[in-house]
Amino acid sequence: NAGVTQTPKFRVLKTGQSMTLLCAQDMNHEYMYWYRQDPGMGLRLIHYSVGEGTTAKGEVPDGYNVSRLKKQNFLLGLESAAPSQTSVYFCASSYADRGSQPQHFGDGTRLSIL
Amino acid sequence: DQQVKQNSPSLSVQEGRISILNCDYTNSMFDYFLWYKKYPAEGPTFLISISSIKDKNEDGRFTVFLNKSAKHLSLHIVPSQPGDSAVYFCAASFRDDKIIFGKGTRLHILP
Repeated sequence: NAGVTQTPKFRVLKTGQSMTLLCAQDMNHEYMYWYRQDPGMGLRLIHYSVGEGTTAKGEVPDGYNVSRLKKQNFLLGLESAAPSQTSVYFCASSYADRGSQPQHFGDGTRLSIL
Repeated sequence: DQQVKQNSPSLSVQEGRISILNCDYTNSMFDYFLWYKKYPAEGPTFLISISSIKDKNEDGRFTVFLNKSAKHLSLHIVPSQPGDSAVYFCAASFRDDKIIFGKGTRLHILP
């Protein structure tokens, strides 16, 4: 009964390095999301997907790319990491994209960019 | 411009008493409001929600009240327990648009 699983849980990068965060869900949800949480800022939406093969920009998409090649996976990429991308990243999924269908979150990836 | 505001960064409540967490919003078109709870090193978990056509929704010790005229909602926890110590996020959505989260309120339940 995994729900939403994020890999890795922690990572330290140097400025300019690239990496990919993986999110996997086993609930057959259509919708998936990537958020970042910064101190005093709440949760801000980076990118989201409304189904396999689709992606769309959220509130803070710059510096990130995403892919949804399989329904159960949603990848978040940082092409050239910057210190401003130091944050905790959360992936979420939901059955539908509306308030009546709550999102299920993973436990987060803590990313530090030096 | 913040559409969902949680003006209290933190709140301390004695165990057994009532905890009241507040949330204000600016967009009168929001039709669903949600509360999420978050423990350290874990992801947020859904707690309770309310449709804009209602003014109250109750689930065990948790009750959410919605005052549309004041654009205000509150989460009541009665009685408060040590396990309720967490960060609580208020969130709102309009139809198929994205959920917007507040900045969160950290609740401390004191023994």
